Amino acid sequence: DGGITQSPKYLFRKEGQNVTLSCEQNLNHDAMYWYRQDPGQGLRLIYYSQIVNDFQKGDIAEGYSVSREKKESFPLTVTSAQKNPTAFYLCASSIVVTGQGAAEAFFGQGTRLTVV
Amino acid sequence: LAKTTQPISMDSYEGQEVNITCSHNNIATNDYITWYQQFPSQGPRFIIQGYKTKVTNEVASLFIPADRKSSTLSLPRVSLSDTAVYYCLVGDISNNLFFGTGTRLTVIP
Repeated sequence: DGGITQSPKYLFRKEGQNVTLSCEQNLNHDAMYWYRQDPGQGLRLIYYSQIVNDFQKGDIAEGYSVSREKKESFPLTVTSAQKNPTAFYLCASSIVVTGQGAAEAFFGQGTRLTVV
Repeated sequence: LAKTTQPISMDSYEGQEVNITCSHNNIATNDYITWYQQFPSQGPRFIIQGYKTKVTNEVASLFIPADRKSSTLSLPRVSLSDTAVYYCLVGDISNNLFFGTGTRLTVIP
């Protein structure tokens, strides 16, 4: 089945540790995105990538890093520099439609990260 | 980047039509308007997208006036399962997806 897969679903991290969240898609989408969602809040954009080997910072990139070595994969690393990393993280992908703006995006089921 | 403004919350009884309005005063010529639905602990799900006038699909209608500075998502005959957060997005030409806080719709029996 085509789709976008995030893993793991739940993740626990000790303070001071880096942790990497996985996001894989087999939809052949060019664009991929990472969002953070805190309880009762909307989604905030962390990073996005429109093509392989290129990515841009979103609203809240500090303390996070990404890579886009393959079209299918867009892993997010939460570094120790992120002061409050406990949140729900969502990955999405979409086609790039020049001149149309935001095309339909498909989201993964999310990873809930908790710092212990 | 076009910003959007939506009501924070709305309540509706089952079976009623619900209209959620989104303001986007600085929408750009090439921007499309897209609506998503999100249930707790899940990723958002695409509902509908439009550029102007009216768009209808099997779940909703989207009304966009001629000046495109606002849009209205219309959900016909809502049920309890429509209780969710609804987001209005206005896309810029580089296809970034910026979500606001959305509108929390509660459907009452």
